[in-house]
Amino acid sequence: AQSVTQLDSQVPVFEEAPVELRCNYSSSVSVYLFWYVQYPNQGLQLLLKYLSGSTLVESINGFEAEFNKSQTSFHLRKPSVHISDTAEYFCAVSPLAGTNAGKSTFGDGTTLTVKP
Amino acid sequence: DTGVSQDPRHKITKRGQNVTFRCDPISEHNRLYWYRQTLGQGPEFLTYFQNEAQLEKSRLLSDRFSAERPKGSFSTLEIQRTEQGDSAMYLCASTSLSAAKETQYFGPGTRLLVL
Repeated sequence: AQSVTQLDSQVPVFEEAPVELRCNYSSSVSVYLFWYVQYPNQGLQLLLKYLSGSTLVESINGFEAEFNKSQTSFHLRKPSVHISDTAEYFCAVSPLAGTNAGKSTFGDGTTLTVKP
Repeated sequence: DTGVSQDPRHKITKRGQNVTFRCDPISEHNRLYWYRQTLGQGPEFLTYFQNEAQLEKSRLLSDRFSAERPKGSFSTLEIQRTEQGDSAMYLCASTSLSAAKETQYFGPGTRLLVL
């Protein structure tokens, strides 16, 4: 079984400031890790994912996340946020293989609010 | 590739009525998932299909809920005798079993409000 804990339910930050959204997970099997973003009244969009290889993964819009196996964490960071980054962010894990492959377990989300 | 689509996007119904939602996955994806998301929570797994076979149902899925994927393509989720507690966003996602493609692609969701 898997579980995901997003340590901050709400993160307010001023525009152009750095931000970190924290995610810890637990799993008895190897997992892929994901960050999704959800804008109001929309579905989830994949932001970035860790499958294997380099533990630092980046998205096209400046976000990055680092997989830390020893701490079972996958924190999301951005060095300078924009107003348009205001959204709900979800961390998720998914088993690599087996009958549960692709079945994601989500955290409860972190609301990022970027203020001018 | 047009992505995952869901219909309707919004549904308002009265308590006790039946509702049905449809999901069209990405065409080459053989796995299809249904999730429910309530306000302030992350999506919760409801059920999933591999091709036309329903492989797992969550305990969240009461007897009033039924899902089908008759030809291994689109899927429907029906809720009978709706209750106010069924109000939520219902999300569909699809994925390929290819090891390099375990990303789930989500549809825009169907938001259900039971009055």
